[in-house]
Amino acid sequence: EIVMTQSPATLSVSPGERATLSCRASQSASRKLAWYQQKPGQAPRLLIYGASSRATGIPARFSGSGSATEFTLTISSLQSEDFAVYYCQQYNNWPLTFGGGTKVEIK
Amino acid sequence: EVQLVESGGGLVQPGGSLRLSCAASGFTFDDYAMHWVRQVPGKGLEWVSGISWNSDNIGYGDSVKGRFTISRDNAQNSLYLQMNSLRAEDTALYYCTKDVSMKAGFYMDVWGKGTTVTVSS
Repeated sequence: EIVMTQSPATLSVSPGERATLSCRASQSASRKLAWYQQKPGQAPRLLIYGASSRATGIPARFSGSGSATEFTLTISSLQSEDFAVYYCQQYNNWPLTFGGGTKVEIK
Repeated sequence: EVQLVESGGGLVQPGGSLRLSCAASGFTFDDYAMHWVRQVPGKGLEWVSGISWNSDNIGYGDSVKGRFTISRDNAQNSLYLQMNSLRAEDTALYYCTKDVSMKAGFYMDVWGKGTTVTVSS
């Protein structure tokens, strides 16, 4: 099983600032990495797939990068609606596995 | 509108069984693999099980293997999860999700709102 580790657990950012979230895989996930956003009381929403491709309707301020064991989600200029929990998920191997999440909160 | 609606959750005693259902609409159900993902309140996401479009390819997370069974009925546009020998640690919100491919090993682009399972005496 590929273990996904996200850091930091909580990120405090001011609106308009840049946020950088990290996701590390215990073994190579190639570029088979997705990112999801979850707001309180809602189901997760797909943001990024293939490590760097934005899903339909996702704003350009969200970008993904990385490969193998190191991945990054960057939110270039945080908007009020971006404060949420973000999860990474690898789909290189079964079982599919998620990271523990990073909560992006208002500073 | 693409939609997934889960049902069947509830309160069950340890050792008991429960069957979850997911009704899909707004897309060609038998063109896509499907999954169940669960989330303990306030905690992270855990993949439970996935099934390919034709049920040929099925997988389970280690924590549920041998106790849970995933199935689908393409004629009814429905996904199921039979949960047996339930434990307190199975208590969670269970999401039905749609894979982006026919196989069951990718990522998920549609999520339902979830159904809550509580295992307690």
